[in-house]
Amino acid sequence: SSELTQDPVVSVALGQTVRITCQGDSLRNFYASWYQQKPGQAPALVIYGKNNRPSGIPDRFSASNSGNTASLTITGAQAEDEADYYCKSRDSSANSWSWVFGGGTKLTVL
Amino acid sequence: QVQLVQSGAEVKKPGASVKVSCKASGYTFTSHYMHWVRQAPGQGLEWMGVINSNDGRTTDAQKFQGRIIMTRDTSTSTVYMELSSLTSEDTAVYYCARDSSSSRVWWFDPWGQGTLVIVSS
Repeated sequence: SSELTQDPVVSVALGQTVRITCQGDSLRNFYASWYQQKPGQAPALVIYGKNNRPSGIPDRFSASNSGNTASLTITGAQAEDEADYYCKSRDSSANSWSWVFGGGTKLTVL
Repeated sequence: QVQLVQSGAEVKKPGASVKVSCKASGYTFTSHYMHWVRQAPGQGLEWMGVINSNDGRTTDAQKFQGRIIMTRDTSTSTVYMELSSLTSEDTAVYYCARDSSSSRVWWFDPWGQGTLVIVSS
């Protein structure tokens, strides 16, 4: 099965821009979706596909894709953006109808 | 609004089974697949399986094959996930999440609030 790799920890100064990356072979065939999880809460969708935000997600969140890498960028990070972020993609293994999550990135806003 | 409401926390002994429910509202239940995802304490998200809410067909992650049963009741817009032969490693929060898809992308939104399952003797 496919794997998705994320940096475990990333930090950003308040108001600055941060990029969280996700690497994996499945991303050559499928787009990622990204989820934010704050302590004690269920994950919540923040970005999916080329660069689609659900209603209610601020436009400081954006996505980009290149080769086997998907990226989530927060432009002007806010204190409330401190959370764990997970990427997810469909598994691209032959005849596979399954999904895989990255290991997660803990974002600290300094 | 679209909402998924899960059943309450469970404490089970090793070797037992647990059945978690997820009641959907605010949309046409049979139009969306439903996934199950779990999260062990302090760990990341793990995909477990998916059920077609329309015809009931399921696909399980290889790790759980033989131990997981997913079902749905269209009359109550509820999906169920039963996990058997529990061990302490199954202690986790279990989430249901509604599937949507478009060209080459699948996204889970919304998620249920989560159900804590503790396996302890």
